[in-house]
Amino acid sequence: LAKTTQPISMDSYEGQEVNITCSHNNIATNDYITWYQQFPSQGPRFIIQGYKTKVTNEVASLFIPADRKSSTLSLPRVSLSDTAVYYCLVGIYNQGGKLIFGQGTELSVKP
Amino acid sequence: SAVISQKPSRDICQRGTSLTIQCQVDSQVTMMFWYRQQPGQSLTLIATANQGSEATYESGFVIDKFPISRPNLTFSTLTVSNMSPEDSSIYLCSVDGGSNYEQYFGPGTRLTVT
Repeated sequence: LAKTTQPISMDSYEGQEVNITCSHNNIATNDYITWYQQFPSQGPRFIIQGYKTKVTNEVASLFIPADRKSSTLSLPRVSLSDTAVYYCLVGIYNQGGKLIFGQGTELSVKP
Repeated sequence: SAVISQKPSRDICQRGTSLTIQCQVDSQVTMMFWYRQQPGQSLTLIATANQGSEATYESGFVIDKFPISRPNLTFSTLTVSNMSPEDSSIYLCSVDGGSNYEQYFGPGTRLTVT
């Protein structure tokens, strides 16, 4: 499974757009890029997944360049409740469903 | 989606004892997973549990230390045996969501070993 690299922490203010970039230089052709969010004292929660270009849902957008060696999770107009750890994962489902979590990015949103 | 509950939510145990953690899902699922999250750290997969077969353990985790049961498609248990303070962690179960890398996680069991 491809190794991922993310910033350890980020700070933001309410109402700002936050972009968290993940590097995955050895991503394989069949790999998907998936992001999870974990609030304190809770299990991780699936946010978004993509293969290429751009994916958007009600929570976030995911931008993937053509070479797929990185991806950017974009959170529009963050609020205090978006304070969490965000994990970028790369892999394919038929790897036995394993999720290999990297270190994640701890996002702190301030008023 | 799936709703997952875990029992107990937290416990404080003495070293040398064992604790069994239960994971209940509100729907039938094929694959269930157990993770450990040490304080301030990311999640580490302990094992994969499929109903009707032995659990598959990841490197660094052994059945004698973390025996797992999977008696049916909605339930699993993880036992942390002969505990030491190094076993103090949050233990989470998750289930396969049926699509690429979407899994649903339980709230976790916070274990403190003294």
